[in-house]
Amino acid sequence: AQSVTQPDIHITVSEGASLELRCNYSYGATPYLFWYVQSPGQGLQLLLKYFSGDTLVQGIKGFEAEFKRSQSSFNLRKPSVHWSDAAEYFCAVGPSGGYNKLIFGAGTRLAVHP
Amino acid sequence: DTAVSQTPKYLVTQMGNDKSIKCEQNLGHDTMYWYKQDSKKFLKIMFSYNNKELIINETVPNRFSPKSPDKAHLNLHINSLELGDSAVYFCASSILVNEQFFGPGTRLTVL
Repeated sequence: AQSVTQPDIHITVSEGASLELRCNYSYGATPYLFWYVQSPGQGLQLLLKYFSGDTLVQGIKGFEAEFKRSQSSFNLRKPSVHWSDAAEYFCAVGPSGGYNKLIFGAGTRLAVHP
Repeated sequence: DTAVSQTPKYLVTQMGNDKSIKCEQNLGHDTMYWYKQDSKKFLKIMFSYNNKELIINETVPNRFSPKSPDKAHLNLHINSLELGDSAVYFCASSILVNEQFFGPGTRLTVL
C-alpha cells in the first residue's frame, strides 16, 4: 500500500538551531517527492520537490531535502531555524506518470523557541 | 494576483443544508483537485479533474459533487450537510504530474 510516514508529530527547536524533519514513504515505483509548509490559517506552500537527478534538492526559505532511495526517505533540513518557520510541514509523494494523486503524511508541527 | 482562489473562506451552516464552494485558478493549469483536511490536519484527496474530465474520484459520499465548467474552475457542491463534513477544504491545481498549487482553503463548519 502507498503511504507516507512522518514519525514526529510535534518538534520544538530553539531559534538558530538546526532542524531535520523525517519522512519515509512506501510506494510501488520511484515517486515524485514534495515538502509543503502550512502556516496557521493558510494554504499549503511548496518548499521543494524531487523528480530526478541530484538527490539533494534546495528549496525556498533556506530549506533542503535529501532523497535516499535505499531508505525510502526524503528528510527535510534547515541549518538555522527562524521564528517564522513555526508551521505545519507535510511530506507528500506522487506518481511520476499517470494521474497526479498526491499522498500526504500526517504532518509535523514545528514550534520555535526564542 | 491570486494563483488559486477559493470562495468563501469561511462557511457556517446547519445540518441538512446544501452548500457550494468555488475554486478558480489563473495559472493555465489543466488539472484541478479538491482535498479535505480534517481536524487532525490530515489531508486527503477527494476529486481531480483534467481538462474538465473527472479522473480521480476517491471514496467520497455521493452527497459531494464536483463540477468543472471549464479548465480554470472547479466547484464543490455538498448536499445534506452532516456534522462530519466539518473540515477545511482545499482546492489545488497543476500541470499533469507537476507540483500542485493550493488555494487558501475554505473552513466549513456544520452546526
